[in-house]
Amino acid sequence: GDSVTQMEGPVTLSEEAFLTINCTYTATGYPSLFWYVQYPGEGLQLLLKATKADDKGSNKGFEATYRKETTSFHLEKGSVQVSDSAVYFCALSGFNTNAGKSTFGDGTTLTVKP
Amino acid sequence: DGGITQSPKYLFRKEGQNVTLSCEQNLNHDAMYWYRQDPGQGLRLIYYSQIVNDFQKGDIAEGYSVSREKKESFPLTVTSAQKNPTAFYLCASSTQRGTANTDTQYFGPGTRLTVL
Repeated sequence: GDSVTQMEGPVTLSEEAFLTINCTYTATGYPSLFWYVQYPGEGLQLLLKATKADDKGSNKGFEATYRKETTSFHLEKGSVQVSDSAVYFCALSGFNTNAGKSTFGDGTTLTVKP
Repeated sequence: DGGITQSPKYLFRKEGQNVTLSCEQNLNHDAMYWYRQDPGQGLRLIYYSQIVNDFQKGDIAEGYSVSREKKESFPLTVTSAQKNPTAFYLCASSTQRGTANTDTQYFGPGTRLTVL
């Protein structure tokens, strides 16, 4: 079945540091790939997505490129801020008869210190 | 404003009791989902529904039940058969139907259930 593997956390960075959170996936066909963010005590919200190979999703300074050859969708940001502290989830939505179901990684907790 | 609401935000239950968590959306989405989130773990799918009056079991449906009588509403009942119900429960919706897989899931703020 489909699966998503995320870099284990927690990750602690200083403000303005470079961020990479690794995400690799296993799926048949051509899934769509997502990064969601969860702030403390809240639900998840979409950060960015890519729906086909070589697409780059971007939002609020975060970027991720859909790499089919390496089955990866790594999240990057050039300069993190304290307000980026949150849990980040990589997810995929497979193209199959159970469309609409998403598979989530375990989440990576990011803490940014001033 | 369109969105998803979940109530209550916090819920306490005694062992042996059934409880129902509310989820309402005004986004006109066809599909709705219930997830369970435990500390340090990802989201696990409990049930999902792609159309009114129809729903399917997810990966951890045992001890839970749902209904989908209206497009806007997808309540989740945690029954006494659920052995370890203490968790954070998230409801989501999307426009996805059929074989489309490109749409975003929109999440509610969650309900934290604690069994006393």
